[in-house]
Amino acid sequence: GNSVTQMEGPVTLSEEAFLTINCTYTATGYPSLFWYVQYPGEGLQLLLKATKADDKGSNKGFEATYRKETTSFHLEKGSVQVSDSAVYFCALSNAGGTSYGKLTFGQGTILTVHP
Amino acid sequence: DAGVTQSPTHLIKTRGQQVTLRCSPKSGHDTVSWYQQALGQGPQFIFQYYEEEERQRGNFPDRFSGHQFPNYSSELNVNALLLGDSALYLCASSLAGLPDTQYFGPGTRLTVL
Repeated sequence: GNSVTQMEGPVTLSEEAFLTINCTYTATGYPSLFWYVQYPGEGLQLLLKATKADDKGSNKGFEATYRKETTSFHLEKGSVQVSDSAVYFCALSNAGGTSYGKLTFGQGTILTVHP
Repeated sequence: DAGVTQSPTHLIKTRGQQVTLRCSPKSGHDTVSWYQQALGQGPQFIFQYYEEEERQRGNFPDRFSGHQFPNYSSELNVNALLLGDSALYLCASSLAGLPDTQYFGPGTRLTVL
């Protein structure tokens, strides 16, 4: 079955530091990959997505590249801000097939950014 | 443009009771998915509704059931509540042609005592 593994957290950084949150996956076929962000007391917001190998998703300074050879989709940002403090979830969905639209999430990584 | 809305925001029940949670999808969306997020965990897929029918289901017991109405809104029902059902319940909406691009509501926090 499908699974997503995220780096164990939490992650604590100073403002303007470089961020990497690792994500690897196991899936049949060719899944679509996502990063969602959850701010305190809120639901999940789609941050970025990639639908095929070597695609790069990007949004709000965050980037992630779909690496089929390493089954990875690591999230990066060059300079984090205090407002980026949140929980980040990596997720996948099988494109097509009977599980299309069923999102499988990782366990989440808590990011705290200090001024 | 209204996003996904859920009600109630918080709910407290006791073991053995039944609960109904409600969700209104984003305008124009016709597919609704429900997820359970236990504290400190990622969301887990419960089921998905399209055209008033359950299209997919995750590994949840039959105590979890749902419904979708002609206006695409949806309900999640949980019977015979257990302490372990305490969680944040998230509703997500999407278009049938793009079911994996989902927009989430703020969730309903259910506490079972």
